Amino acid sequence: ETVMTQSPATLSVSPGERATLSCRASQWISNHLVWYQQKPGQAPRLLISGASTRATNIPARFSGHGSGTEFTLTISSLQSEDFALYYCQQYNNWPRTFGQGTRVEIK
Amino acid sequence: QVQLQESGPGLVKPSQTLSLTCTVSGASVNSGTYYWSWLRQHPGKGLEWIGYIFNNGDTYYNPSLKSRVTLSADTSNNQFSLTLRFVTAADTAVYFCAREFCGTNCYFDYWGQGTLVTVSS
Repeated sequence: ETVMTQSPATLSVSPGERATLSCRASQWISNHLVWYQQKPGQAPRLLISGASTRATNIPARFSGHGSGTEFTLTISSLQSEDFALYYCQQYNNWPRTFGQGTRVEIK
Repeated sequence: QVQLQESGPGLVKPSQTLSLTCTVSGASVNSGTYYWSWLRQHPGKGLEWIGYIFNNGDTYYNPSLKSRVTLSADTSNNQFSLTLRFVTAADTAVYFCAREFCGTNCYFDYWGQGTLVTVSS
């Protein structure tokens, strides 16, 4: 099983600032990585697949980078609606596995 | 518009069987390149993938749950179901059904709202 490790656990950022979230895979997963956003009481929302391809209707302030084992999600200028939990997930192999999440909170 | 909706008991006794159904609208569970999946989220924790059923009935389960899990599909009602046997308190979680699409990339694009299942006597 591929273990996904996210850091930091919590990121405190002021609105308008940049946030950079990290995700590391325990083994090589090419670019087979997805990012999701989750708000309280809701299902996860797809943000990015293929490590860097934004999903439909996802704003350009969200960008993903990385390949192999190291990945980042950058939110270039945080808006109020971006304060949430973010998960990475690998689909290079089964079982699908998720990171433990990074909470982006208002500083 | 694709929609998924979980249904089933919110309370299950220890050692008994948890059964949930996901009703799909706007897509068919027996066509397309979709993996109809179940996932769960323990309170305050991350997401755990449970397994999938493909349009031809093939299934694959998380090895950590494989001995207790069965997924099945009811194509006449466009539903798929999760059965988890011999539950314990550790199975208390919000259970999501979701569709995983695999094309150039794979991703869970549609999710149910989630249903909380509590295991308690």
